[in-house]
Amino acid sequence: EAQVTQNPRYLITVTGKKLTVTCSQNMNHEYMSWYRQDPGLGLRQIYYSMNVEVTDKGDVPEGYKVSRKEKRNFPLILESPSPNQTSLYFCASSLPPGTQVLAGGINEQFFGPGTRLTVL
Amino acid sequence: GENVEQHPSTLSVQEGDSAVIKCTYSDSASNYFPWYKQELGKRPQLIIDIRSNVGEKKDQRIAVTLNKTAKHFSLHITETQPEDSAVYFCAARVRFGAGTRLTVKP
Repeated sequence: EAQVTQNPRYLITVTGKKLTVTCSQNMNHEYMSWYRQDPGLGLRQIYYSMNVEVTDKGDVPEGYKVSRKEKRNFPLILESPSPNQTSLYFCASSLPPGTQVLAGGINEQFFGPGTRLTVL
Repeated sequence: GENVEQHPSTLSVQEGDSAVIKCTYSDSASNYFPWYKQELGKRPQLIIDIRSNVGEKKDQRIAVTLNKTAKHFSLHITETQPEDSAVYFCAARVRFGAGTRLTVKP
């Protein structure tokens, strides 16, 4: 079954305690990204990766790091979490944006189940 | 970079009525416009998408229209049902709008 998995699903932590949220996909997608979702602000992209060892900042990268050592995995790292990073986080994967898919095909982003993070 | 604006932020309709959600984008190079539905506590899932070489696309009760010149696109849901209640997001490629919370009253 094609899927994107994230762990943990829920996390309560304290300010300054380093944490990692894992993300893995089994669809051999080159493109992966992280979003945070906050009420009234929609889904804002934190970082994205076009392929292994290729990562770039999205709209709200401050306070986050990522790595892409393997095609299937794209962990999100918070070196020193702060309360303003309390949010719902989604990992997503897809073919590279702009890919010309076959007629009838789609280039949707497949989202993980989300990680609800609370930083006290 | 790309900027996507979505309106309205909330929308309430009676069951059976139509619902329309509108989005505008800023980057004329954008060529892919998906719409996602997010039910409470769940992940966003694609419901329909349209490419820049197409003006309209339908799938049963939902349709999307695209006006490239004006850089806006819209989601139309006809004969709404209570199970259509959710948050809907438009996107231009990978840049999302702020979402519309649709409530369908029985």
